[in-house]
Amino acid sequence: EVQLVESGGGLVKPGGSLRLSCAASGFTFTNAWMSWVRQAPGKGLEWVGRITSKTDGGTTEYPAPVKGRFSISRDDSKNTLYLQMNSLKTEDTAVYYCTRDNYGGSQHWGQGTLVTVSS
Amino acid sequence: DVVMTQSPLSLPVTLGQPASISCRSSQSLVYSDGNTYLNWFQQRPGQSPRRLIYKVSNRDSGVPDRFSGSGSDTDFTLKISSVEAEDVGVYYCMQGTHWYTFGQGTKLEIK
Repeated sequence: EVQLVESGGGLVKPGGSLRLSCAASGFTFTNAWMSWVRQAPGKGLEWVGRITSKTDGGTTEYPAPVKGRFSISRDDSKNTLYLQMNSLKTEDTAVYYCTRDNYGGSQHWGQGTLVTVSS
Repeated sequence: DVVMTQSPLSLPVTLGQPASISCRSSQSLVYSDGNTYLNWFQQRPGQSPRRLIYKVSNRDSGVPDRFSGSGSDTDFTLKISSVEAEDVGVYYCMQGTHWYTFGQGTKLEIK
């Protein structure tokens, strides 16, 4: 069974940094393309970035709202995905989901971790 | 950026009746490999999203066959043949052809 467990969320001040982790199991993590998707309170879903497998180059892509501030990385030896978030803004407040991608979309989702950016 | 527009945004449905959600993209979702990467997700209250449909019309494992997807190029539809109580929630389309973009969501409720 595929399991994705996010951790690392919490309260951070504007301008601060936070690193989220996603522990993966139940599939071959090394071969997986992974994404982070967020959901602000009471709002819709927003993709915040993706990393391909190392076999496919280990490349990362980000949408404009987070490009230059967020960075995705992976440690295949630990089956773990990371999201480093810098220069956080109040509008980054959201539940952050780790997803395993397949067939051009997020097939499996974690339970999410809440990030609150507030002074 | 590709913009995904869903309609309606609110969908009251009587139990046992069909439901339909439309999703339109601002540009073609046909990728260079010939595939169209259009997904549909369901998010029940208090839960993580769950993918129902990938590549326009393919159901994910465990998804009931009352859910079906159709469409091409820029126009797509999710249909529920007979709505059940457990179908209450928000439905999102998402394109995976030009990176990823989600629609605004359609809230399905029981009349």
